[in-house]
Amino acid sequence: AQSVTQPDIHITVSEGASLELRCNYSYGATPYLFWYVQSPGQGLQLLLKYFSGDTLVQGIKGFEAEFKRSQSSFNLRKPSVHWSDAAEYFCAVGPNAGNNRKLIWGLGTSLAVNP
Amino acid sequence: DTGVSQDPRHKITKRGQNVTFRCDPISEHNRLYWYRQTLGQGPEFLTYFQNEAQLEKSRLLSDRFSAERPKGSFSTLEIQRTEQGDSAMYLCASSLAGAPGGSGANVLTFGAGSRLTVL
Repeated sequence: AQSVTQPDIHITVSEGASLELRCNYSYGATPYLFWYVQSPGQGLQLLLKYFSGDTLVQGIKGFEAEFKRSQSSFNLRKPSVHWSDAAEYFCAVGPNAGNNRKLIWGLGTSLAVNP
Repeated sequence: DTGVSQDPRHKITKRGQNVTFRCDPISEHNRLYWYRQTLGQGPEFLTYFQNEAQLEKSRLLSDRFSAERPKGSFSTLEIQRTEQGDSAMYLCASSLAGAPGGSGANVLTFGAGSRLTVL
């Protein structure tokens, strides 16, 4: 079965600390991988995506993610967290071929940032 | 282009009433999606359009739900005879259709959502 697992429901970090949000997936083919961020009461904003090529991808707001095929993971990282990064983060996977255009979403990780 | 617009942002209704949400996608995007999101959950796929054709509907979309995209531009999502379980954020997203890996293909741009509360 296709699925996305974000093992951490909630994470709290101090401002300036490093951050890693985990994402593991189960997918029958080579997927496209995405991280989205959602601020309270808002829609989702794309942080970064992986389609192919370099497995370390850079995104907006200083985020990066690394695709590890052997571990079926796509973890999101940021070296120094800002208070404005407090939000809900969603990992999603989608097909790279075929007619299925639906993304499969994780349940999200809620990030709190202590001053 | 100001991105994906959704209206209204908030809707409070009584059980049994009908509600309609509107989504205006990014103008050059030919795909439009509706998702539903409840608290503490990721988005759940409801349906999507390519141009004016509704190509896929989730089993979550009961007979009380209908979506249209009559001219391949804006879309409406109507919920008839609302139930308390319909309370959720309804998200619209749009994207380009293209070859896998092509520029913008499969990259969803979301609106801010329409929050429905059914009393």
